[in-house]
Amino acid sequence: EIVLTQSPDFQSVTPKEKVTITCRASQSVGTSLHWYQQKPDQSPKLLIKYASQSISGVPSRFSGSGSGTDFTLTINSLEAEDAAAYYCHQSSSLPHTFGQGTKLEIK
Amino acid sequence: EAQLLESGGDLVQPGGSLRLSCAASGFTFSNYGLSWVRQTPGKGLEWVSAVSGSGGVTYYADSVKGRFTISRDISKNTVYLQMNSLRAEDTAVYYCARSLGNWFDPWGQGTLVTVSS
Repeated sequence: EIVLTQSPDFQSVTPKEKVTITCRASQSVGTSLHWYQQKPDQSPKLLIKYASQSISGVPSRFSGSGSGTDFTLTINSLEAEDAAAYYCHQSSSLPHTFGQGTKLEIK
Repeated sequence: EAQLLESGGDLVQPGGSLRLSCAASGFTFSNYGLSWVRQTPGKGLEWVSAVSGSGGVTYYADSVKGRFTISRDISKNTVYLQMNSLRAEDTAVYYCARSLGNWFDPWGQGTLVTVSS
């Protein structure tokens, strides 16, 4: 199974700061890598599909990049409402797997 | 708007059985695959099982293979997860999620399964 490792596990950030979360796969997943946001007591919500494709209704400050084994989720000009956990997910091969998550705290 | 609503979570003893349901609305049910994904504080998000749009093809994680069965009733726009021989490590919030291509969107609100004596 493909293991996804995110970094960092936790980050405390201030509003308007730029945030970068990375996801590294144990083997190539091409661009079959997706990002989700999960706010407290809510279910995950799709942010980015296929590494860099934007999702309708998701603010433009969220963007993704990468291919193969190394991926990045970038949040430009962080807002207070972005306090959440962020997960990467690969669908290149079964079983689907997820990263362990990155928790963002807003100072 | 596509929506998914899970139900059926409960407290069950080890070795027991439970059936989860996921009712879909707002989209053409037979056009999409559906998956179950569970979440625990310790293990994070874990994909459990998936079923194709027609219901003819199913997939399982090794951790549940032989114990869980996924099925769908197109007439009721509902997907089920029959869970047998439950173990303490199956304790989790179970989400159903629509499979769009290879990504999951949307997700339901989740239903809590607790396996404990």
